[in-house]
Amino acid sequence: DGGITQSPKYLFRKEGQNVTLSCEQNLNHDAMYWYRQDPGQGLRLIYYSQIVNDFQKGDIAEGYSVSREKKESFPLTVTSAQKNPTAFYLCASSIETTVLSYEQYFGPGTRLTVT
Amino acid sequence: DAKTTQPNSMESNEEEPVHLPCNHSTISGTDYIHWYRQLPSQGPEYVIHGLTSNVNNRMASLAIAEDRKSSTLILHRATLRDAAVYYCIPTGGGSQGNLIFGKGTKLSVKP
Repeated sequence: DGGITQSPKYLFRKEGQNVTLSCEQNLNHDAMYWYRQDPGQGLRLIYYSQIVNDFQKGDIAEGYSVSREKKESFPLTVTSAQKNPTAFYLCASSIETTVLSYEQYFGPGTRLTVT
Repeated sequence: DAKTTQPNSMESNEEEPVHLPCNHSTISGTDYIHWYRQLPSQGPEYVIHGLTSNVNNRMASLAIAEDRKSSTLILHRATLRDAAVYYCIPTGGGSQGNLIFGKGTKLSVKP
């Protein structure tokens, strides 16, 4: 089955530690995205990538980093510089970014708790 | 980016139709109107999208006003599995493909 996988589903870390969230897709999509969701709120864009070895900051990129070395993979690192890292993190992909009629496919999310 | 207005919450009875409204009065002529839904503790799921004409798929129907300033998502027979937060998202040329999620409408379905 084609889709997006995120692991782990739940992640706990101590303050001051960097943590990397995994996102893999087998849909052959060029574009991938990372969003963050806080309780009762909509999603906010962290980073997106239109093609391998290229990515751009979204609205709330501070304290986060990404890489796109393979088409299938777009890992997100939450660094110790992120002031409020506890949140639900969602990865998504789409065929490309420039055609606005394409839908995005979302993974199941990773719930990160930092104490 | 076009601003949207949706009711915070709505209730429906199981097996009855549900009409979820969305106002997007600042939408541009090239914006598509996408609807997504998010079940509790899950990632959002695509429901339907359209540009000008009404659209139907296996999940729902989308009715778009003639002036495109509003749209309505129609679930023809609500089931308990349709209980979710529904987001109306105009997707514009400056968005770089990302979706701008508001707070959406939380739909509750009563048995």
